[in-house]
Amino acid sequence: KAGVTQTPRYLIKTRGQQVTLSCSPISGHRSVSWYQQTPGQGLQFLFEYFSETQRNKGNFPGRFSGRQFSNSRSEMNVSTLELGDSALYLCASSFGGSYNEQFFGPGTRLTVL
Amino acid sequence: SQQGEEDPQALSIQEGENATMNCSYKTSINNLQWYRQNSGRGLVHLILIRSNEREKHSGRLRVTLDTSKKSSSLLITASRAADTASYFCATDLESSYKLIFGSGTRLLVRP
Repeated sequence: KAGVTQTPRYLIKTRGQQVTLSCSPISGHRSVSWYQQTPGQGLQFLFEYFSETQRNKGNFPGRFSGRQFSNSRSEMNVSTLELGDSALYLCASSFGGSYNEQFFGPGTRLTVL
Repeated sequence: SQQGEEDPQALSIQEGENATMNCSYKTSINNLQWYRQNSGRGLVHLILIRSNEREKHSGRLRVTLDTSKKSSSLLITASRAADTASYFCATDLESSYKLIFGSGTRLLVRP
């Protein structure tokens, strides 16, 4: 089975722009979660989708949004980028959710200038 | 604040020695998972232990869970240089559908 793929792998944006990151889960997995990793805050949960429904959301501003398509692929969008949004964004897929083993993608490294 | 806190923050050992990392959490959980991350790359799942389990083994890894103390430990036996990585515990809160990661332990295994 192919692993979790994330595109793009690297992104450089300027403040005020918006960005869309994509995640393709492992075939058959219906749950996709997104995490932000920074040196200062560590790994923080953004949101989780299951069968196109958001089941939980972390403590992030409304500028962070996501969605999941019928084929389980997911996208997350960050609008009005701020310098503090620079981070590694990780996507994870699993069969049922957080009570299962999570398979992580390699991440998208976002740099906001 | 994070649900899981790891101890120690950093650990340096010689190849062949055992490494023990601890994780404490605050609220009731469905399960606790351990992950490894090399050099800022994606995370790799190591082991999952459910709240009704006390101990689990996988190869050179041994995980214990004490729900009364809200703590877990990860033991890596006969460490290798390739075990050098950051190790994170993650707790799955009851009915939350989200994993909360701890701050991690940076393990350095010296050849």
